[in-house]
Amino acid sequence: KQEVTQIPAALSVPEGENLVLNCSFTDSAIYNLQWFRQDPGKGLTSLLLIQSSQREQTSGRLNASLDKSSGRSTLYIAASQPGDSATYLCAVRGLGNLFFGTGTRLTVIP
Amino acid sequence: KAGVTQTPRYLIKTRGQQVTLSCSPISGHRSVSWYQQTPGQGLQFLFEYFSETQRNKGNFPGRFSGRQFSNSRSEMNVSTLELGDSALYLCASSSRRGQGQTDTQYFGPGTRLTVL
Repeated sequence: KQEVTQIPAALSVPEGENLVLNCSFTDSAIYNLQWFRQDPGKGLTSLLLIQSSQREQTSGRLNASLDKSSGRSTLYIAASQPGDSATYLCAVRGLGNLFFGTGTRLTVIP
Repeated sequence: KAGVTQTPRYLIKTRGQQVTLSCSPISGHRSVSWYQQTPGQGLQFLFEYFSETQRNKGNFPGRFSGRQFSNSRSEMNVSTLELGDSALYLCASSSRRGQGQTDTQYFGPGTRLTVL
């Protein structure tokens, strides 16, 4: 069974700092990996989707990488802002469905 | 395009009751998935429907069931509610067609179910 782990569980950084969130998964047979953000009490917002054949995807200040062979993905956030404060979740798509990580709660301090 | 909508947004039920949650996907999306989110277990997959057929099912008891209508709207039902069923129930839609199709999942705001 696919297991997805995110480290750290929580992170606090001062505004303007660059940061990296980590995601690891146990089964490399995936179709894609998706990063989401979730604000308290809300649903999930898709940030980036990386197909299994790709190494990275970029959107604005966000860059996600994927190393399927080692079962790792990173989400890089440049020049963090208070509005980036949220829980970030990674999810891998296997044959059947999405397997979610436990999330990293990010707080950006003004 | 309108996003994924879920109704109701909040529900309070008592143990032993049953509940039905509704999800309307993004127009044109035929795949609808349901997830349960709890502080202890995180996000867990319940089931996926495509063209009115259940295509995948997670590891949940038979008290959890769902269906999809011809207009792609979906409902999930939980019978004989237990305290542990208190959770945020999220619905997601995608344009995924085949089992191997890669896609982006778009999530609704969720239904917060509290079981007393």
